[in-house]
Amino acid sequence: DSGVTQTPKHLITATGQRVTLRCSPRSGDLSVYWYQQSLDQGLQFLIQYYNGEERAKGNILERFSAQQFPDLHSELNLSSLELGDSALYFCASSASLISYNEQFFGPGTRLTVL
Amino acid sequence: AQTVTQSQPEMSVQEAETVTLSCTYDTSESDYYLFWYKQPPSRQMILVIRQEAYKQQNATENRFSVNFQKAAKSFSLKISDSQLGDAAMYFCAYYGGSQGNLIFGKGTKLSVKP
Repeated sequence: DSGVTQTPKHLITATGQRVTLRCSPRSGDLSVYWYQQSLDQGLQFLIQYYNGEERAKGNILERFSAQQFPDLHSELNLSSLELGDSALYFCASSASLISYNEQFFGPGTRLTVL
Repeated sequence: AQTVTQSQPEMSVQEAETVTLSCTYDTSESDYYLFWYKQPPSRQMILVIRQEAYKQQNATENRFSVNFQKAAKSFSLKISDSQLGDAAMYFCAYYGGSQGNLIFGKGTKLSVKP
């Protein structure tokens, strides 16, 4: 158990819908990262938040957005869902802005878009 | 841009034998960190081993060791005395520069035969 929690574990929805994925980082960790794992693209970085502020953006679609709340939990919002958005979405956390040591990964949320 | 390449989509090893997983990367940075993550069927991402680029000594964690060749930009993972529980996807990852995120290779699926 990494100490990072993600809910829900599984999510099945239809095209065009909107979903919210939730992540609680390890106690004391200020940085939260979101990654998408799909069969064709592998593991790709989406976005990083540090202490409530967006710090880095990767290959995140405009239909996707995220935020980090004062209690440091984070939410990833996916809207106008397409079949290609089906993937495993990971949240990871680290203590600092620059994580040379380790990013701790949550168990992931499996999103299936039908 | 930094890239990470794992040229072996699948590998197989006999239980108790040794296997080496390959990883190459491309970067213009001089200071960076390299990781091997394991993803078993449970999907949890687990850190296996970490190497700091400025350290010449290869990292070792029990049965896991790396062969880090900085000039060749190569970072291979050696698993000794392979066990059935080692069967998983293994991802090589790069961390460096001013970015906060990990850059992953496509992964190598390791099977362990009893």
